[in-house]
Amino acid sequence: DTGVSQNPRHKITKRGQNVTFRCDPISEHNRLYWYRQTLGQGPEFLTYFQNEAQLEKSRLLSDRFSAERPKGSFSTLEIQRTEQGDSAMYLCASSLDTGGYQPQHFGDGTRLSIL
Amino acid sequence: KNQVEQSPQSLIILEGKNCTLQCNYTVSPFSNLRWYKQDTGRGPVSLTIMTFSENTKSNGRYTATLDADTKQSSLHITASQLSDSASYICVVSKGRVTGGGNKLTFGTGTQLKVEL
Repeated sequence: DTGVSQNPRHKITKRGQNVTFRCDPISEHNRLYWYRQTLGQGPEFLTYFQNEAQLEKSRLLSDRFSAERPKGSFSTLEIQRTEQGDSAMYLCASSLDTGGYQPQHFGDGTRLSIL
Repeated sequence: KNQVEQSPQSLIILEGKNCTLQCNYTVSPFSNLRWYKQDTGRGPVSLTIMTFSENTKSNGRYTATLDADTKQSSLHITASQLSDSASYICVVSKGRVTGGGNKLTFGTGTQLKVEL
């Protein structure tokens, strides 16, 4: 399977703990995005990488959130001191910058539940 | 206020029937409009992408239309199947950038259920 892969699929943790999610994009895709989705809502943009450079961050991305994409391949999203409001599905997507209109390919997400 | 509004919020139809989902947007400047299908517990999957100059695009039993003047789009599903049960999300990209960064505005989706 050459799609976007996210791990873990589910994460349950206690409030105050740190969590880290991983995203492996489609190998030739140079753009990588993180989104957060709550029940009944569309995805909300969190941050975006072009290769290894983090080019944009949403104001939703508080200082407890940090994302990295070392070497422009896989990416990690870390949430420190988790709060109950962080419970959501975290989606990763990747796309190829060809100068045209390319769809973003989404992974199946990591569902985070804060106890 | 969400700049992409979808209707209806939910819809139940019988297998084999057709249906049409609506999307109105106020995102400006407009670049392109996308429809995604999202199965429960899965990530969204792209169905169509339409630019300003395109007013219809098909992908199998899915046909999307775009009226950039009235800022409306529709997704028509023909001969529905049980596997069409999912959330259908309208996404509008603004500006001249081809979708990078925070240029995508997502609707909240229409939840479609196809029954026997």
